[in-house]
Amino acid sequence: AQTVTQSQPEMSVQEAETVTLSCTYDTSESDYYLFWYKQPPSRQMILVIRQEAYKQQNATENRFSVNFQKAAKSFSLKISDSQLGDAAMYFCAYRKGRDDKIIFGKGTRLHILP
Amino acid sequence: EAQVTQNPRYLITVTGKKLTVTCSQNMNHEYMSWYRQDPGLGLRQIYYSMNVEVTDKGDVPEGYKVSRKEKRNFPLILESPSPNQTSLYFCASSSKEGYTDTQYFGPGTRLTVL
Repeated sequence: AQTVTQSQPEMSVQEAETVTLSCTYDTSESDYYLFWYKQPPSRQMILVIRQEAYKQQNATENRFSVNFQKAAKSFSLKISDSQLGDAAMYFCAYRKGRDDKIIFGKGTRLHILP
Repeated sequence: EAQVTQNPRYLITVTGKKLTVTCSQNMNHEYMSWYRQDPGLGLRQIYYSMNVEVTDKGDVPEGYKVSRKEKRNFPLILESPSPNQTSLYFCASSSKEGYTDTQYFGPGTRLTVL
């Protein structure tokens, strides 16, 4: 069965600094998608970034980028120039290709220190 | 505005009293899902639906029912709620067009079962 592991329950970073959140997953599939979702105190789930497994190039969205290492089954999220609004719970998620079943990690709570 | 709506947003009920949480999306998405979020466990999928009249169990389906009679609606039914179903519930939808599989989440429903 597929699993998603976020080994850091909580992290803190100074405002304007860079932070990396870790995620590893386990799958025997070759076609799949990976996601990072942000959940601020409002509890709304917001998609931050997505990565298709068949793409070698790492996805980027403004200050957010991923380091996707398929062989190592690692999918870390890097947040550059951290802002107070980045404080939230971050969830890593996995989805098989052509299947809507999504598996979430347990989350990493990110604190931004002013 | 493209959105997923859930009602009610907050609900306090008693053990055994049947309840329904509604979910509706206005994006003509084929896929819809229900998740529950519990502290330290992340989001876990309860049920999902690939299209009208097609539903399947997720990871934690016990004690829940769903139906998909219309494309836009995917209600979650708790026939006899129990305290261990106290949780934060999210509905989500996504489309398969062009394999843009991004999940759109509703605002969440906070359920307390006494």
